[in-house]
Parts: sequence; structure tokens; C-alpha cells
Amino acid sequence: DGGITQSPKYLFRKEGQNVTLSCEQNLNHDAMYWYRQDPGQGLRLIYYSQIVNDFQKGDIAEGYSVSREKKESFPLTVTSAQKNPTAFYLCASSVSQGKSNQPQHFGDGTRLSIL
Amino acid sequence: AQSVTQLGSHVSVSEGALVLLRCNYSSSVPPYLFWYVQYPNQGLQLLLKYTTGATLVKGINGFEAEFKKSETSFHLTKPSAHMSDAAEYFCAVRSGIDKLIFGTGTRLQVFP
Repeated sequence: DGGITQSPKYLFRKEGQNVTLSCEQNLNHDAMYWYRQDPGQGLRLIYYSQIVNDFQKGDIAEGYSVSREKKESFPLTVTSAQKNPTAFYLCASSVSQGKSNQPQHFGDGTRLSIL
Repeated sequence: AQSVTQLGSHVSVSEGALVLLRCNYSSSVPPYLFWYVQYPNQGLQLLLKYTTGATLVKGINGFEAEFKKSETSFHLTKPSAHMSDAAEYFCAVRSGIDKLIFGTGTRLQVFP
């Protein structure tokens, strides 16, 4: 079955520690996205990538970093500079190449908490 | 710039009653609109989408939405609520080529 796999489902971070969230897709999608979800605030875009080896900042990129070395993988690193990292993180992908009527497909998320 | 407003952060209905979740959008170009559903501790699942053509869009699980350009609305409805419909619902509008702008969500509760 094609889909998006996020791991781990739950993650704990100590103060001053960087953590990396994994996102893998086997849908052959060009575009991938990372969102942060907080109660009552909907989804906010952190980073997105339309093609391998290229990515752009979203609305709340500070304290986060990404890489896109392979089409199927788009890991997100939450750095120690992110002072309020506790949230639910969602990865998504979509067919790109200007097909803007296509939806985004989502993984099941990673819940990050501070120890 | 595109934006989405979902009226009502919480909606409660009885099982069997009509479900109406409101979404208004702002867009400087013809909009592409989406409704997603999220169950606890899960990702978002596409319910339906409007791109062009018929303004009444049917989706999964008996939901439908009507695009009304004059009212800049894209409200989600279901004639008869089921307990399994309890979830959070998000309206979204396409921004640029590849980005989505999401509303803040509406949590639907269904009482027996």
C-alpha cells in the first residue's frame, strides 16, 4: 500500500537537545511538507520541498531544519533553538509539477514532548 | 492572499441530526478548496475537494460541500450524523502552486 510513514509516533526531547523526525513516502510524489499542529491553531507550515535538493521556509521555520536528499524522504530536525517544541508534527506529500488541484496526503504524525 | 475562516471551534449534534460545518474563504484567484477530517492522534484524511466544475461536491462517509462564490463559502454538510463522525474537521484553500492554507478546525461531537 502506498502511503506516508512517520516515525517515531511519540518522541521526547531533553532541554538543549536536537531531535530528528522521520518522514518517508512511497507515493512517488514530488512535493513534501512539514506542519506543526497546536490545539486551536490548526496546521502551520514549517518547511516544504517541491523537488529533491531544494526546500523553502514556511511560516514558522525558526528553530527547525530539513533536508531533501532523496525523493521519498524529508526528515525534520527540531533544534535546541526551538524554545517551544511540544506539538504534534505532521508530514504530507502531494503530486507537484503545477498540479495545484491535487490534495496533500498526510502521515499519522509524531507527538513531541519536552522532558 | 488566500485565507480560510472556520466559524465555530466546536459543534455538537445528536446522532441522526444534520451536520453543518462552516467555512468561508478569501482568495484573489479562483480557489481550490478542500475538507479534511482528523481522528485523535492521527493524520488528516481528505473528505472532498472542489477545483472546477460542479459546485456541489460529494465526498466520503456521506459528506458533501457546496461551493458558493457569491458568499465565498464552502460549508460541509451531512444529512444524518453518526457516532463515528466525531472528529476534527479542517477546511483548506490552495495558496500558490503547492501550498495549502488551513483553517483552525472545528471539533464535531455527536451525542447518542
